[in-house]
Amino acid sequence: KNQVEQSPQSLIILEGKNCTLQCNYTVSPFSNLRWYKQDTGRGPVSLTIMTFSENTKSNGRYTATLDADTKQSSLHITASQLSDSASYICVVRETGNQFYFGTGTSLTVIP
Amino acid sequence: DGGITQSPKYLFRKEGQNVTLSCEQNLNHDAMYWYRQDPGQGLRLIYYSQIVNDFQKGDIAEGYSVSREKKESFPLTVTSAQKNPTAFYLCASSDPGTSGYNEQFFGPGTRLTVL
Repeated sequence: KNQVEQSPQSLIILEGKNCTLQCNYTVSPFSNLRWYKQDTGRGPVSLTIMTFSENTKSNGRYTATLDADTKQSSLHITASQLSDSASYICVVRETGNQFYFGTGTSLTVIP
Repeated sequence: DGGITQSPKYLFRKEGQNVTLSCEQNLNHDAMYWYRQDPGQGLRLIYYSQIVNDFQKGDIAEGYSVSREKKESFPLTVTSAQKNPTAFYLCASSDPGTSGYNEQFFGPGTRLTVL
């Protein structure tokens, strides 16, 4: 069964600290993996997207990694800011154009 | 500005009434999707359309209906048959393309509340 699991479910960190969010998936055949940021009451916005051959991709303070062998991805946030408080969603696309969503990690950055 | 728009942002409905949520995109994308988001749950697919005049049921299509008469528009009707319609509804579009970077772009969402 194709599934995407994210951990932790929620996370609270101090402003300026780093954090890492995890995404494990069983989706096959794999096409790509995206990380989205969703502010409360808003639509998700893409942070990074990676295909099978990519191991790391950065977008400012966000760095995503992908291990296609173990079917794991992580999103690392450096020097967190209050505006990073949001839900982070991992989405895996299979080659048949079907998208599978994780339940998200809710991140709260406190001053 | 290119993108996806959804309207209204907030919608209130009485029980037993049908209501239609609007979704428009000017990205020239072939595929469009409707998702429902509930607290603590991932996005669940209601309906999707790969091309004009064609659409397919997703995982939770019961109580919903759609149409795709134009490439840029994919309205969702929440009918009175939907037992628990209060939720946040997200519309998305994507262009299959050939690069493998088949990203979905999301609209801002519509929050529907049944009174």
